[in-house]
Amino acid sequence: DGGITQSPKYLFRKEGQNVTLSCEQNLNHDAMYWYRQDPGQGLRLIYYSQIVNDFQKGDIAEGYSVSREKKESFPLTVTSAQKNPTAFYLCASSIQVLYGYTFGSGTRLTVV
Amino acid sequence: DQQVKQNSPSLSVQEGRISILNCDYTNSMFDYFLWYKKYPAEGPTFLISISSIKDKNEDGRFTVFLNKSAKHLSLHIVPSQPGDSAVYFCAAAWQGGSEKLVFGKGTKLTVNP
Repeated sequence: DGGITQSPKYLFRKEGQNVTLSCEQNLNHDAMYWYRQDPGQGLRLIYYSQIVNDFQKGDIAEGYSVSREKKESFPLTVTSAQKNPTAFYLCASSIQVLYGYTFGSGTRLTVV
Repeated sequence: DQQVKQNSPSLSVQEGRISILNCDYTNSMFDYFLWYKKYPAEGPTFLISISSIKDKNEDGRFTVFLNKSAKHLSLHIVPSQPGDSAVYFCAAAWQGGSEKLVFGKGTKLTVNP
């Protein structure tokens, strides 16, 4: 079955540590996206990539980094520079924006 | 600057009645609109979409209406069911080359039995 997989589902991190969230898709979609959801804030775009080896900053990129070495994979690193990293993180992919996104099931990151 | 606005953070409806979720947009370039439904701790799932060449699109209990002159769209759910309780996001794009969807902040719908 084609889909988009985020792992892990829950992640705990100590303050000051970097952590990488995984996102893999087997839908053959060119575009991939990372969003963050906080209560009352909706979905805020962190980074997106239209093609391998290229990515653009979204609205809240500070404190995050990404790579796109393979079409299937778009990992997100939450660095120690991110001031409020505790949130629900969503990865999505798309063959074309007008067809909408397919979302993963999300990763809940908690800083302890 | 919010280009897609969902002004009601929450909505409560009785089971069997109609739910109407509203969405306004400011960018006149938008010509394609989508609704997503999201349960807690899960990713959003696509619900229904509409192109600006139409003013209505129906899929079972879900109907989306588009009023281009008012830059307003609404999602109607009839009849509402308890399983419809979720957060609903409105999103917009334009056919000229949007690289990403622009989302509203969402409306939390609660359908009471």
